[in-house]
Amino acid sequence: QLQLQESGPGLVKPSETLSLTCTVSGGSISSSNYYWGWIRQPPGKGLEWIGSVIYSGSTYDNPSLKSRVTTSVDTSKNQFSLKLNSVTAADTAVYYCARHVRRDTIITLGFDPWGQGTLVTVSS
Amino acid sequence: DIQMTQSPSSLSASVGDRVTITCRASQSISSYLNWYQQKPGKAPKLLIFAASSLQSGVPSRFSGSGSGTDFTLTISSLQPEDFATYCCQQSYSTPWTFGQGTRVEIK
Repeated sequence: QLQLQESGPGLVKPSETLSLTCTVSGGSISSSNYYWGWIRQPPGKGLEWIGSVIYSGSTYDNPSLKSRVTTSVDTSKNQFSLKLNSVTAADTAVYYCARHVRRDTIITLGFDPWGQGTLVTVSS
Repeated sequence: DIQMTQSPSSLSASVGDRVTITCRASQSISSYLNWYQQKPGKAPKLLIFAASSLQSGVPSRFSGSGSGTDFTLTISSLQPEDFATYCCQQSYSTPWTFGQGTRVEIK
């Protein structure tokens, strides 16, 4: 059974870089059939897709984050990562990693499974 | 960006009720609409993908329909474990976007 687990600091200072890693177990990250994505949810608010990466390293990012996002993949470790720079309090959220089935270049079939999520607070 | 609008934002219902939640996309997304259930403190769970396909392991009381811009999630007979927040998500084009959620509460 495929499982995903987020890891990284729970507290980041304003203007610094948020760095998270998602470790995939129970299956290989090296498949052209899947994207590996990051989604966040500010406290009490809705879900926002941040970015996704495929095993080859190709990425899609949400333009609303104004090029602050870097997503990457490490197939040797079966992990993928998120870096979000120049963070502010508005970036405080639960960050989830998830897999989504690639149907076409940008058409997918929903995020499943998800990691349990990790709360990242931006505060000095 | 494609905007996803759900209605209602919340509803109260009783066990055994039939519940319908709607999701409207700001432009056509064909059938690339997914539905999730989220309980407090938990990650979302995929219920329906591609508008009407039931994810493995999801009870058959959940169903989805629609295409183009208008979609519906139906719970045929609400169970105690179904009280949660439901949201839709379009997976037709980037940035992939979510609806704001519908909270289903106990009447």
